[in-house]
Amino acid sequence: DIQMTQSPSFLSASVGDRVTINCKASQNINKYLNWYQQKLGEAPKRLIYNTNNLQTGIPSRFSGSGSGTDYTLTISSLQPEDFATYFCLQHNSFPNTFGAGTKLELK
Amino acid sequence: EVQLVESGGGLVKPGASLKLSCVASGFTFSDYWMSWVRQTPGKTMEWIGDIKYDGSYTNYAPSLKNRFTISRDNAKSTLYLQMSNVRSEDTATYYCTRRLQPYWGQGVMVTVSS
Repeated sequence: DIQMTQSPSFLSASVGDRVTINCKASQNINKYLNWYQQKLGEAPKRLIYNTNNLQTGIPSRFSGSGSGTDYTLTISSLQPEDFATYFCLQHNSFPNTFGAGTKLELK
Repeated sequence: EVQLVESGGGLVKPGASLKLSCVASGFTFSDYWMSWVRQTPGKTMEWIGDIKYDGSYTNYAPSLKNRFTISRDNAKSTLYLQMSNVRSEDTATYYCTRRLQPYWGQGVMVTVSS
């Protein structure tokens, strides 16, 4: 199985900050990497698919980058509604695997 | 509007069986691969498996393959997850999703406890 190491696990930030969340795969996943946001009591929402494709309706302050084994989600200027938990998912190979999540909290 | 509505969760005893359902609407169900994903109380996400649009092929997480079975009834636009010999570590919220697309159900909670 491909292991997804997501960091950091927790992140404290302020409104307006630029933040980055990372996922490192245990092997090349060929950019088959999605990012999800989850708020308490809700299903995950897809933000980014295949590394850098912004899901329709998602604000442009969210962006993704990466290749090979290393991938990054960037939020350029945090808004109050962005405080949530974020997950990465690799779908290059079966079984698909998720990162452990990053909880983004208000500083 | 795409909707996925799971049902069938609840409290079950270790060793029991349980069948979850997911009714789809707002799209042609038989055109899409579907998946089940679960999230533990500690928030760990785990992909369970997929089923091809016509039900002819399934793929599972190796650790669950022997106990979980995914099926579908395209005439009823319904996806199923049959869980057998459940264990405490199967306690989770179970989501159905349109595979790798931004459509998820609201989730259904399964608690395994004696």
